[in-house]
Amino acid sequence: AQKVTQAQTEISVVEKEDVTLDCVYETRDTTYYLFWYKQPPSGELVFLIRRNSFDEQNEISGRYSWNFQKSTSSFNFTITASQVVDSAVYFCALSESVTSLNQGGKLIFGQGTELSVKP
Amino acid sequence: GAVVSQHPSRVICKSGTSVKIECRSLDFQATTMFWYRQFPKQSLMLMATSNEGSKATYEQGVEKDKFLINHASLTLSTLTVTSAHPEDSSFYICSASGRASGVSYNEQFFGPGTRLTVL
Repeated sequence: AQKVTQAQTEISVVEKEDVTLDCVYETRDTTYYLFWYKQPPSGELVFLIRRNSFDEQNEISGRYSWNFQKSTSSFNFTITASQVVDSAVYFCALSESVTSLNQGGKLIFGQGTELSVKP
Repeated sequence: GAVVSQHPSRVICKSGTSVKIECRSLDFQATTMFWYRQFPKQSLMLMATSNEGSKATYEQGVEKDKFLINHASLTLSTLTVTSAHPEDSSFYICSASGRASGVSYNEQFFGPGTRLTVL
């Protein structure tokens, strides 16, 4: 069965600190996708990144970076020099691969990590 | 990027009434739509998956007679909460995947969500 675990329920940091959000996943599929989403207080999910299982290259986008390690089934997310606007709930998610035209991959979400960045 | 809209954004109703929530893909053909429910401080839980023109597939524990899903066209899916009760109060989010230039099957685009309050 597929499962995503975000062990950190809440994290509180002071502005300009770096923070890493952990994500560990379980799947028997050899082809799968991993995602990170941000959910601000408004509730709308904001897509941050998608990574497929064959691409273990780390990615950096501005202050955001992601570390994908298949050996430990982890896909951790780091925010460098955090800002108050980064305060939100962050979800890690796992998707099966799509094999047919009319079938979208189901997303399995982790429990979410609530990040609070204080000024 | 692809845009998904939801209507209404917020609804308050009396216990026993039915509520319909619409989910539209604005600039792509949504071959698959997903409906999620999110209780406060919790993760998104998949309720059902619907492919255009087919009956929805419900997740275990979700009552298909209570949560009616229709996906009659490639741009519209509706979720009807029948005979709503206070315990149905939640944040309902739809997402869609499909085809258009630049849209891959393995990415879901999320609507902004509908907050349902049943009195």
